[in-house]
Amino acid sequence: EDKVVQSPLSLVVHEGDTVTLNCSYEVTNFRSLLWYKQEKKAPTFLFMLTSSGIEKKSGRLSSILDKKELFSILNITATQTGDSAVYLCGRTPPAKIIFGKGTRLHILP
Amino acid sequence: DTGVSQDPRHKITKRGQNVTFRCDPISEHNRLYWYRQTLGQGPEFLTYFQNEAQLEKSRLLSDRFSAERPKGSFSTLEIQRTEQGDSAMYLCASSEGPLEQYFGPGTRLTVT
Repeated sequence: EDKVVQSPLSLVVHEGDTVTLNCSYEVTNFRSLLWYKQEKKAPTFLFMLTSSGIEKKSGRLSSILDKKELFSILNITATQTGDSAVYLCGRTPPAKIIFGKGTRLHILP
Repeated sequence: DTGVSQDPRHKITKRGQNVTFRCDPISEHNRLYWYRQTLGQGPEFLTYFQNEAQLEKSRLLSDRFSAERPKGSFSTLEIQRTEQGDSAMYLCASSEGPLEQYFGPGTRLTVT
């Protein structure tokens, strides 16, 4: 099965710091790369990336995809305690999402 | 609330019993997906439907698992003869075609 590898698996930073989360993937059949935030419940959608080099932004969060090098990053600037969560990266072949294990981010006040 | 809904939210059952979960997708979404998530792991794909047709099933979906979406709206996932290894969060998601998937709150299954 194609792999999605996220790093780091765990990260602790102080409020106000900027963090970069990494996601690399193998590909035999690629359609899109997705990022989700998961607190103590279901994943909530953040970004869907299909084109290389085009940054998507939502407030303090941004993400970009590199289809040549097969990776994506998720940046969070000026982190807040509410950003504490597991961030999941996944890729789609045509339909299903193949997820990585996630990065557990903890923001210290 | 027009998001994805799942019922029940929690289920405790004894080993060997059958359980059935329900998922109601976002109304205009034609695709519905089932995933399973265990502690410390990302969700793992189980199966998906486009309208009422089940188009893909994971190897994880043993013959004890069956899913239906009879009218292309809600879906059910049944697990027969539950085992302790079936304990997990069962997540349902829906999408409009190949666009982003939106997840429901999940059903947490505990098999004792």
